[in-house]
Amino acid sequence: DIQMTQSPSSLSASVGDRVTITCRASQSISSYLNWYQQKPGKAPKFLIYAASSLQSGVPSRFSGSGSGTDFTLTISSLQPEDFATYYCQQSYRTPYSFGQGTKLEIK
Amino acid sequence: EVQLVESGGGLVQPGGSLRLSCAASGFTFSSYWMHWVRQAPGKGLVWVSRINIDGIGTTYADSVKGRFTISRDNTKNTLYLQMNSLRAEDTALYYCARFDYSYGHGYFDYWGQGMLVTVSS
Repeated sequence: DIQMTQSPSSLSASVGDRVTITCRASQSISSYLNWYQQKPGKAPKFLIYAASSLQSGVPSRFSGSGSGTDFTLTISSLQPEDFATYYCQQSYRTPYSFGQGTKLEIK
Repeated sequence: EVQLVESGGGLVQPGGSLRLSCAASGFTFSSYWMHWVRQAPGKGLVWVSRINIDGIGTTYADSVKGRFTISRDNTKNTLYLQMNSLRAEDTALYYCARFDYSYGHGYFDYWGQGMLVTVSS
């Protein structure tokens, strides 16, 4: 099975900051990497697919990059509504594993 | 508008059974692979199972293989998860999710609101 590891597990930042979350796969997954945002008590929201393609309607301050085993999610200028938990997920092979999550908190 | 609405959760004793349903609307249900993903309280997302468009092809996480059965009824636009021999570690919020593709890359683009399953005596 492919293990997905995110870092950091939690992150404190301020509105307007640029933040980067890292996701590493235990083996190469090419660009079969997706990102989701989850707010407390809500279902995950789909943000990015194929490592860097923004889902329709997702603000352009979100971006993704990477291929192989190392990937990043960057938020260029944090907005109040961005404070949430972010998950990466590989769709290269079942079981479709998720990272453990990165909780983005207000500083 | 795409909607996925789960039902059927609740409290069950260890060793018991429960069947979750996920009613789909707003899209052609029979054209999409569907999945179940769960989230234990305060924990991360864990993939559980998937089913192909005609319901013949299924895949399971090792942790539920032999105990859970995914199925679908395309005439009712409904996805199911039959859960048998339930254990305390199956306690979680269960989400159904639609799986879509773009340029060969798959992703969960729509999720239900989640249904809580609690396994406890």
